[in-house]
Amino acid sequence: AQSVTQPDIHITVSEGASLELRCNYSYGATPYLFWYVQSPGQGLQLLLKYFSGDTLVQGIKGFEAEFKRSQSSFNLRKPSVHWSDAAEYFCAVGSSGNTGKLIFGQGTTLQVKP
Amino acid sequence: GAGVSQSPRYKVAKRGQDVALRCDPISGHVSLFWYQQALGQGPEFLTYFQNEAQLDKSGLPSDRFFAERPEGSVSTLKIQRTQQEDSAVYLCASSSQGAQSQPQHFGDGTRLSIL
Repeated sequence: AQSVTQPDIHITVSEGASLELRCNYSYGATPYLFWYVQSPGQGLQLLLKYFSGDTLVQGIKGFEAEFKRSQSSFNLRKPSVHWSDAAEYFCAVGSSGNTGKLIFGQGTTLQVKP
Repeated sequence: GAGVSQSPRYKVAKRGQDVALRCDPISGHVSLFWYQQALGQGPEFLTYFQNEAQLDKSGLPSDRFFAERPEGSVSTLKIQRTQQEDSAVYLCASSSQGAQSQPQHFGDGTRLSIL
């Protein structure tokens, strides 16, 4: 069965420091992978997506993610974190079949210290 | 509209009552999804529509949950005889197609609290 694991439930980084959020997936074929961000009381905003091609994808707000098939990973990175990046981050995989439904990880809460 | 709109934003109901949650997708979007997000968890898929056809309802937790999209635009998620475990945020998303390659655009959700 397809699944997504985000090993870190909560991460705290200092403003200006680099960030890496981990995501591992289980999927039989080439996956469609997504990172979403959710601020309190709001819906999910798409940061970036990977379908094929270049394994390093760029997204909005200075985020990037790298697809590593050998490690079944799709980690999210940002070189320098801003206080406004504090939020909940979700990794998701598009399920097999043609409905396009997403399977989400449990999420990682990012706290940014001043 | 500019984005996916959900109403109400907050709903409080007593156990046993019926509730109806509304989703107004982005204009022209063919695909519509409902997800349930429990506190501290990631969203979990409930059901999927392509236009007015409900093509996947495998995530609906019980027969108390019912969704419809009669004209292929606005959708309503109905929960009958609510239980405390139904307390969650219900998210609606739409996309221009049902393919995996099309990103889903999410509304702000309806936070449902069952007393």
